Formats: sequence, structure tokens, C-alpha cells
Amino acid sequence: NAGVTQTPKFQVLKTGQSMTLQCAQDMNHNSMYWYRQDPGMGLRLIYYSASEGTTDKGEVPNGYNVSRLNKREFSLRLESAAPSQTSVYFCASSEVGYVTTFGSGTRLTVV
Amino acid sequence: TQLLEQSPQFLSIQEGENLTVYCNSSSVFSSLQWYRQEPGEGPVLLVTVVTGGEVKKLKRLTFQFGDARKDSSLHITAAQPGDTGLYLCAGAFTNAGKSTFGDGTTLTVKP
Repeated sequence: NAGVTQTPKFQVLKTGQSMTLQCAQDMNHNSMYWYRQDPGMGLRLIYYSASEGTTDKGEVPNGYNVSRLNKREFSLRLESAAPSQTSVYFCASSEVGYVTTFGSGTRLTVV
Repeated sequence: TQLLEQSPQFLSIQEGENLTVYCNSSSVFSSLQWYRQEPGEGPVLLVTVVTGGEVKKLKRLTFQFGDARKDSSLHITAAQPGDTGLYLCAGAFTNAGKSTFGDGTTLTVKP
């Protein structure tokens, strides 16, 4: 029962570097999400995918791109990392109109 | 604009005490969720409430959805150290999956 699996768990990037955060779920959920969590600011939605083949912007999409590779996988890409993107990133999935399952997070530091 | 306000932001109590945390908004939600998050982990869904006035109980935790579906409360009876964590509420407006999260209440229960 893996649920939602995120890789890597930790990452340090230099300003301007690019990277892709990977996420996979094994619950056959249609919807997948990417959130970022910053101290005192709760969880903010970056992008979500209501179903395979569709993606939509959330509250804070600037500086990010996503790919819904198939029903299981939803990746988040930072093309040119900035210190403001230092955060904890959570992938999540659901089969209903709200998030039911989160991954354990990727802790990203941009220096 | 913060759509969901949670209070208090921090709460530190002794084992055995009762407590209530609140989640308030000026918006009407189709459903509202409560999650608990432990350090280094993703949030875990505790409950979802859908009907105005609805009350749900989960062992020592009681969740209530306001009659107008704009607010919710979480009451914990006889708190235990294992209840320590960040409690997040989230509201969903439709079945589209774009939930809005509050900033959370950090609860510490001292033995």
C-alpha cells in the first residue's frame, strides 16, 4: 500500500538550475495535485490534473510546469530555480472533489 | 486573500485538557475537510463534512460544520501527547478539486 510516492525526498539546487519532482500514485485516482507548503502560509495549490491528459493552474503556478504522464504519474518541473521556490512540495491524489491522499513531501532548498 | 482563517494559530495544553480549534470563512463551501500533519510527513485526512450542521465523531475528536457551511470546528476531548501536530482545514467549492487550505493550528500536548 504505497499510496502517493514522491522523489526525491530532499534536494538542494543552485539558483538557475532546473529539476523535476516525480510523483506516482497506485490507487487508480483520476485527480492529482501539486502543493507547496511554506511556514505560516499553509498549503498552496501550484497545479492540478483532474484526469489523465488535463492540467490546470492553481493559486501559484508561476515558475513551474507540470506533466501528467499517465494516470499514475504527475511530475512538477522547475525550469530555472529561484530562492523563492525554497519550500516543501507535496503531491496528492483523489477520486472525489477534495484531496484524500498526500505524499510525504520533497524538501527543496534553492541557494 | 486568505479564504480560510484558522484559530488559534498555536495551542499548547496539558494532557487531559479539552480544546477547540476553529476554521472560519466568508465563503460557502460544498464540503470541508480536516487533516492532521506530523513533522516531516504529509497531511492525513481525518474527516470530511458536507451537510450544514453536520457533526462527526472520530474517537475523542468531534467535528462540526456550520449551518451555513462557512465554518467548522474541531473539538478534542482529553487530549493526549499523540494528538500533537498541525491541524489543517480545507474547503472545497465544487467537485473540481480546487480545495483552499487554512494556515493551520499547531497543537502541542504536554505529558
